[in-house]
Amino acid sequence: AQSVTQLDSQVPVFEEAPVELRCNYSSSVSVYLFWYVQYPNQGLQLLLKYLSGSTLVKGINGFEAEFNKSQTSFHLRKPSVHISDTAEYFCAVSVYSSASKIIFGSGTRLSIRP
Amino acid sequence: DAEITQSPRHKITETGRQVTLACHQTWNHNNMFWYRQDLGHGLRLIHYSYGVQDTNKGEVSDGYSVSRSNTEDLPLTLESAASSQTSVYFCASSLGGVGNEQFFGPGTRLTVL
Repeated sequence: AQSVTQLDSQVPVFEEAPVELRCNYSSSVSVYLFWYVQYPNQGLQLLLKYLSGSTLVKGINGFEAEFNKSQTSFHLRKPSVHISDTAEYFCAVSVYSSASKIIFGSGTRLSIRP
Repeated sequence: DAEITQSPRHKITETGRQVTLACHQTWNHNNMFWYRQDLGHGLRLIHYSYGVQDTNKGEVSDGYSVSRSNTEDLPLTLESAASSQTSVYFCASSLGGVGNEQFFGPGTRLTVL
């Protein structure tokens, strides 16, 4: 079975500082990886996804993530955060054999301090 | 523009009542999903459908049912609401095939008293 672990439930950072949100997954087969963002009182929207090819994936709003197969990680990064990045971030995985189903991590709440 | 909508956005009900949450998408997606979101658990899959007349159980399906009579709608029914079903419910849809993102509705906040 597949699983996703987000190592930090909350991450506070100062505005314009860099941030990394950590995600590890467990799977015995090849996977697709996603990061979603949920702004307050809204549904989730896709930030970026890794399907194949380059392990560095760029998404919307200046975010990027790097797939590391040996460490089974897919950490999300942004070099300089803004107040508007305050949200909850979810890492997710789907597997080739059941590609339409997505398993979500428990989420990381990113709070930006001015 | 295509979209996915949920209704109602907020619902308060009593223990034991039957409740139906609506989900409607205009993406013409084959796949539709229902999740519940609870603090500390992220999103957990309740039921999903890969097309008309197809429904499948997710990891937390007890006490819930769905039916898919057309492409656009996947209503979620709580047969006899329980306080443990107080949660925020999200509907999502996606194209069939591999690696496609899911598009989410705005959510329904359900309180069972």
